[in-house]
Amino acid sequence: AQKVTQAQTEISVVEKEDVTLDCVYETRDTTYYLFWYKQPPSGELVFLIRRNSFDEQNEISGRYSWNFQKSTSSFNFTITASQVVDSAVYFCALSAFSSNTGKLIFGQGTTLQVKP
Amino acid sequence: DGGITQSPKYLFRKEGQNVTLSCEQNLNHDAMYWYRQDPGQGLRLIYYSQIVNDFQKGDIAEGYSVSREKKESFPLTVTSAQKNPTAFYLCASGGRELFFGEGSRLTVL
Repeated sequence: AQKVTQAQTEISVVEKEDVTLDCVYETRDTTYYLFWYKQPPSGELVFLIRRNSFDEQNEISGRYSWNFQKSTSSFNFTITASQVVDSAVYFCALSAFSSNTGKLIFGQGTTLQVKP
Repeated sequence: DGGITQSPKYLFRKEGQNVTLSCEQNLNHDAMYWYRQDPGQGLRLIYYSQIVNDFQKGDIAEGYSVSREKKESFPLTVTSAQKNPTAFYLCASGGRELFFGEGSRLTVL
């Protein structure tokens, strides 16, 4: 069975602090996709990144970076120099490596509050 | 602007009533999805459709029904058989990257 665990329910930081959101997954598939989505107060989920299972290179996009470690089944997300606008719920998700990657298994979400 | 439009944003329903949530997309995506979000449980897949006139059950389809008569539209009906319908419902379209609507919050009175 596939499962995604985000053990951190809520995180609160002060602006400019770095923060890491943890994601651990379980799957028996040898190939799969991992995702991060952001849900601001408006409600819609916003795509942040997709990573396939055979690409373990870390990725950096501005203040965001992702650390994928297949050996520990983790796909952690770090925000550097956090800002108030980063306050949102963040979801990690997993899908099979098939044509229909919209069938996602989501983690429980981590609520990030960045205080000024 | 291209995107996903869900309506209504808020909906109240009495027990025993069916209610239909609307989802329209102008992104020309073949695949559309309905997810349910409950506090502390993340999102769970209700139904999905990869092509017009075809749809499949997701992980929690009981008490729900859908139709896909047009590529742009994928309405979700929450039937009276759904035992705990109060939730936040999100529609999405796409494939390798999903685009989501702003959701519909259903409350059963």
